[in-house]
Amino acid sequence: DIVMTQSPDSLAVSLGERATIKCKSSQTVLHSSNNRNYLAWYQQKPGQPPKLLFYWASTREFGVPDRFTGSGSGTDFTLTISSLQAEDVAVYYCQQYYHPPQTFGQGTKVEIK
Amino acid sequence: QVQLMQSGADVKKPGASVKVSCKTSDYMFTAYAINWMRQAPGQGLEWMGWINAYNGNTNYAQQFQGRLIMTIDISTTTAYMELRRLRSDDTAVYYCARSSYDLVTDSFRWSDNWGQGTLVTVSS
Repeated sequence: DIVMTQSPDSLAVSLGERATIKCKSSQTVLHSSNNRNYLAWYQQKPGQPPKLLFYWASTREFGVPDRFTGSGSGTDFTLTISSLQAEDVAVYYCQQYYHPPQTFGQGTKVEIK
Repeated sequence: QVQLMQSGADVKKPGASVKVSCKTSDYMFTAYAINWMRQAPGQGLEWMGWINAYNGNTNYAQQFQGRLIMTIDISTTTAYMELRRLRSDDTAVYYCARSSYDLVTDSFRWSDNWGQGTLVTVSS
């Protein structure tokens, strides 16, 4: 199975400041046939199901604010919130769908400092 | 818009079975798979498997082999997840989610629309 490891486990950022979350896969999730990274990011707020933010590592889902950016390739990926807003307080998960079983990172909790 | 509506919370005794439903609407049911995930209290997300709504083919995570059954009813565009021989560590919120097919990997992709979740509590 592909192991997904996120860092940090939690972070506290001041309103308006940048938040950066890392995700590392135990093997590449870049498929050579189509040059796509099989990596998604989700946001989960308390008591709610996860919400898709990005797929193909950097393609923003419709309606996701552009202060969110997904980047990276191969085994190393980053989710950046350029200017943290109060409504961004949540747990963020990366997920690989390169090969079943689909696996998630352990999650990163983002709070306001 | 696309909706996935799950059945309500349930309480089961160890050794029993639970069946969770996921009623979908407003998209072509057979053009997608349904992924099932779960989340134990205070924990992260765990993928359980998927069922291809086009042909009923399934792919289960290894740890659930032998006690997990996923089915669909095309006539009602509903997916079902049945977990047998429940244990206390099966206590979790169970989610269904829609996923599209990927031709390159012959597999399924990200989950773009999720159900609201179903809390299953296993307790004696």
